[in-house]
Amino acid sequence: DAGITQSPRHKVTETGTPVTLRCHQTENHRYMYWYRQDPGHGLRLIHYSYGVKDTDKGEVSDGYSVSRSKTEDFLLTLESATSSQTSVYFCAIGPDRANTEAFFGQGTRLTVV
Amino acid sequence: QKEVEQDPGPLSVPEGAIVSLNCTYSNSAFQYFMWYRQYSRKGPELLMYTYSSGNKEDGRFTAQVDKSSKYISLFIRDSQPSDSATYLCAMRTSGGYNKLIFGAGTRLAVHP
Repeated sequence: DAGITQSPRHKVTETGTPVTLRCHQTENHRYMYWYRQDPGHGLRLIHYSYGVKDTDKGEVSDGYSVSRSKTEDFLLTLESATSSQTSVYFCAIGPDRANTEAFFGQGTRLTVV
Repeated sequence: QKEVEQDPGPLSVPEGAIVSLNCTYSNSAFQYFMWYRQYSRKGPELLMYTYSSGNKEDGRFTAQVDKSSKYISLFIRDSQPSDSATYLCAMRTSGGYNKLIFGAGTRLAVHP
């Protein structure tokens, strides 16, 4: 298995609180991605990173921010959690220009109450 | 309209059946076509990958791409209970930013 670890695996938080999800990889991969998965929508890209301090928005980025201060860590922050952000969040490494495959973490199940 | 359309199912079949899973897409620039398998409460894993048009076979699995119809398929022969999972199609273009576009996923149940 690709070395991707997401933490926490489960979290329940209250509306209006900030939440940070962490993705840690041991593959030294340049490209990292955050997705959310909801019934009927598949995986939708929130933000991605193509290097340390290099990030950009995906299709559903509103209400989320990211940071990447080290190659191995990619953080996703919900600035002020809302119930619509209840979802399962997946981190992935890849694809990149040379390789098509994306390797996913185990996911973080977030519930905003 | 979504760029990639996939029937979410669920699809329930008996063990040994041939399963056909499909996706349609609207972006003619897509060049890479993938199928991911996702078991319950796990992350997706790449199952099959095809570049441009044509067929690709791997054991009991066959992936087909018809770019003229903007239609891709995954066939599973001699389906097994262990094939029970959600199958997501994914696509991307060949140039620029490497974003994958996923279908909604089809939930498959193979019963003994």
